[in-house]
Amino acid sequence: AQKVTQAQTEISVVEKEDVTLDCVYETRDTTYYLFWYKQPPSGELVFLIRRNSFDEQNEISGRYSWNFQKSTSSFNFTITASQVVDSAVYFCALGSSNTGKLIFGQGTTLQVKP
Amino acid sequence: GAVVSQHPSWVICKSGTSVKIECRSLDFQATTMFWYRQFPKQSLMLMATSNEGSKATYEQGVEKDKFLINHASLTLSTLTVTSAHPEDSSFYICSARSQGIIGELFFGEGSRLTVL
Repeated sequence: AQKVTQAQTEISVVEKEDVTLDCVYETRDTTYYLFWYKQPPSGELVFLIRRNSFDEQNEISGRYSWNFQKSTSSFNFTITASQVVDSAVYFCALGSSNTGKLIFGQGTTLQVKP
Repeated sequence: GAVVSQHPSWVICKSGTSVKIECRSLDFQATTMFWYRQFPKQSLMLMATSNEGSKATYEQGVEKDKFLINHASLTLSTLTVTSAHPEDSSFYICSARSQGIIGELFFGEGSRLTVL
């Protein structure tokens, strides 16, 4: 069965702190995709990153970085020097390369206080 | 970049009425579209997979007669909530899969349905 676990339900930090959002997944597929999405209070889903299961290189994009560890089935997301605008719900998702279906984690609500 | 548009973005209706939500891929052809539902403070759950020109495939527990999905063209899929009830109030989000690039998915802005 496929499953995505985001163990952290809510995280609260003070602006400029670094914060890591955890994501652990389960799949029997050999090829799959991993995603992170941001959902601000307005509701729309904002795409952050997609990772192919064959590509374990870590990625940095501005204040965002992602650590993909296939050995531990984890795809963690770090925000450096957090800002109030980062406050949102963040979803990690596992995608089938065959069907395109996404399985979402329960989401982590991040609150960044000024 | 690719854009997926949903309409309406929010709708309020009376119990017993039917509501149609459109999902359009604006600058690419989408052979497959997906419909997700999100209840307040919960995650997104896949409802159904919509393939152009064929019947939708529903996930377990989703009533196909209640949630009618039509994918008549490569740029448009519609979700009709028939005889809506308050428990159908939710945030409905579609995603479209572009051709050529495996796993390239684009999400719409979502449609918030409130049934009174």
